[in-house]
Amino acid sequence: DTGVSQNPRHKITKRGQNVTFRCDPISEHNRLYWYRQTLGQGPEFLTYFQNEAQLEKSRLLSDRFSAERPKGSFSTLEIQRTEQGDSAMYLCASSFGQGELDTQYFGPGTRLTVL
Amino acid sequence: GQQVMQIPQYQHVQEGEDFTTYCNSSTTLSNIQWYKQRPGGHPVFLIQLVKSGEVKKQKRLTFQFGEAKKNSSLHITATQTTDVGTYFCAGWIYNQGGKLIFGQGTELSVKP
Repeated sequence: DTGVSQNPRHKITKRGQNVTFRCDPISEHNRLYWYRQTLGQGPEFLTYFQNEAQLEKSRLLSDRFSAERPKGSFSTLEIQRTEQGDSAMYLCASSFGQGELDTQYFGPGTRLTVL
Repeated sequence: GQQVMQIPQYQHVQEGEDFTTYCNSSTTLSNIQWYKQRPGGHPVFLIQLVKSGEVKKQKRLTFQFGEAKKNSSLHITATQTTDVGTYFCAGWIYNQGGKLIFGQGTELSVKP
């Protein structure tokens, strides 16, 4: 399968713990996006990378959240000192990077539950 | 901030009936994209509309982009149980970077 993959698929953690998620995009894609989706809502943009450069971050992304894409391939999203409000599905998407004509391909997501 | 609103939130139809979901933006969009998310799944790209007034069809699905590039609709003719899922519109805001702004989605259920 050459689609976008995400690991883990599910994560249960206690409040205050740190968690890290990984996304492996489609190999030839330059852009990688992170979104958060809660029940009954559409995906909310968090941040995106063009190759290894992080080009934009949402104001939703507090200083407890950090994302990296060190070699322009896979990306990690870390949440420090998790809170119950962080419980959500975290989606990764990738694209060729054709600007406004981009088509984004989503991964299966990581479902985070903070107890 | 920029918002993309979608109505209705839920739609329950009998198999064979038609279905329409509407999307409105507070800001002119560069383009609009539509995604489908099956229960328990992830969003899957359906189509992209770029030109003012553009209409595109995919079998029983018809997508429209408004003349002012602020609204869009998805119409499904003669729904089938395989159409079940949540349909999201997502707008690309010109000069606002590389992000898509998603609507809240319309959840479609189809009763056989």
